[in-house]
This record gives sequence, C-alpha cells and structure tokens, in this order.
Amino acid sequence: KAGVTQTPRYLIKTRGQQVTLSCSPISGHRSVSWYQQTPGQGLQFLFEYFSETQRNKGNFPGRFSGRQFSNSRSEMNVSTLELGDSALYLCASSLAGSPTEAFFGQGTRLTVV
Amino acid sequence: AQRVTQPEKLLSVFKGAPVELKCNYSYSGSPELFWYVQYSRQRLQLLLRHISRESIKGFTADLNKGETSFHLKKPFAQEEDSAMYYCALTLTGGGNKLTFGTGTQLKVEL
Repeated sequence: KAGVTQTPRYLIKTRGQQVTLSCSPISGHRSVSWYQQTPGQGLQFLFEYFSETQRNKGNFPGRFSGRQFSNSRSEMNVSTLELGDSALYLCASSLAGSPTEAFFGQGTRLTVV
Repeated sequence: AQRVTQPEKLLSVFKGAPVELKCNYSYSGSPELFWYVQYSRQRLQLLLRHISRESIKGFTADLNKGETSFHLKKPFAQEEDSAMYYCALTLTGGGNKLTFGTGTQLKVEL
C-alpha cells in the first residue's frame, strides 16, 4: 500500500508570491490534515479536511487555505508569502472517523527568500 | 485550549538504562493521547495510543488523569530507540486535529 505522497519535496519562493502544495493520501483514507513544522514553534495544526469539507481549522491567518477533492487528494495554498512561512509542511491522512492513527507524508520544505 | 508539554528537549541515556519521556497535558475534557516517533530520515509515525493499552517496541505509556500526564517508558533502552518523540493530544469526537508537544530527542549511548 502506497504511503502519503507530498509534492513537491522542496520549494523556493520569493516573498509576496503564492504557493500550492499537494498531498495524496493513502487509498481509502478520507481525512487529510496539514501541519506546519518550524524549529521555533514545532508542529502546528493548520486544517483538516474530511469528505471535501473543512472539519477543523488551526490558528493561522487567512493567507493559508486548503481544499480537498472528491478523490481525497488535498492541496494547501499560501498567498502573499512571508519570510516566516518558511517551514516544513506535513500532510497526514487518516481513515474515516476520529480519532484514528495519522499517517504522515515526508513533507514539503518551503523556503521563502 | 488544549496544550501538551514535553519538558525535556534532549534526553541522553546509556544502552540498557531505563527511559522515561515526560508528557503533561491540559485539557478540560476527555482527550485521546498519542506518542509519535520520528527516526532519522524517516516519516513521523505512530508509536502508541493510550486507548490501545499495548506495548510497542518495549514502550508503554499510562494515562494518569489525576496528574494529566502520559509519560512514555521503556525498561531497557536500545540504540535503535534513538529518535525524536512527540506526545500528542486530540479531542474525542473532534476529528483528527492533533496538538503536539515540542518533542524530546532521545539519544541512547553505548
């Protein structure tokens, strides 16, 4: 069974630009969550999507948004990038229902210059 | 709001010594507690969850609601236990939103 796949693995963007990250969950998993990992703040929850609906949201500004498609694949978008958005962005998928084991992807390393 | 505290950034023990990674939480309801582990160059993965009450790779964790703690223990540390350990909490019935502690780096020395 293929694991959670995140693309791209690395990104370098300029301040003010926008970026879209992609996450393909494990087949059959309908819940997809996104986390931001930084040395200073650790792992912070961004949002969770379940059956194409946002089910939970963390304390991030509106520049951070996401969506989920009918095949459970998810994307997150960050607009008007700031230097502080540089981080490792992790995606996790879970079976339906809660709480269940979260399976994490390898992450997308975003660097904003 | 829920909060998870892992007081130690780094814990260094000798092989064969007992290990205890501390985790305290604050939440007024009934949380679900987890330990996740990240080995070098690998993905973050679930080690154990309190409702399973099982021992994984020799590790156990007991939920103490009175002390709001969920410490991870292993009687005899092995070199392959060296990794980053995260304690995490989620709300029962609240989806899959995980609140993580800041993590403890466990280093097992020979």
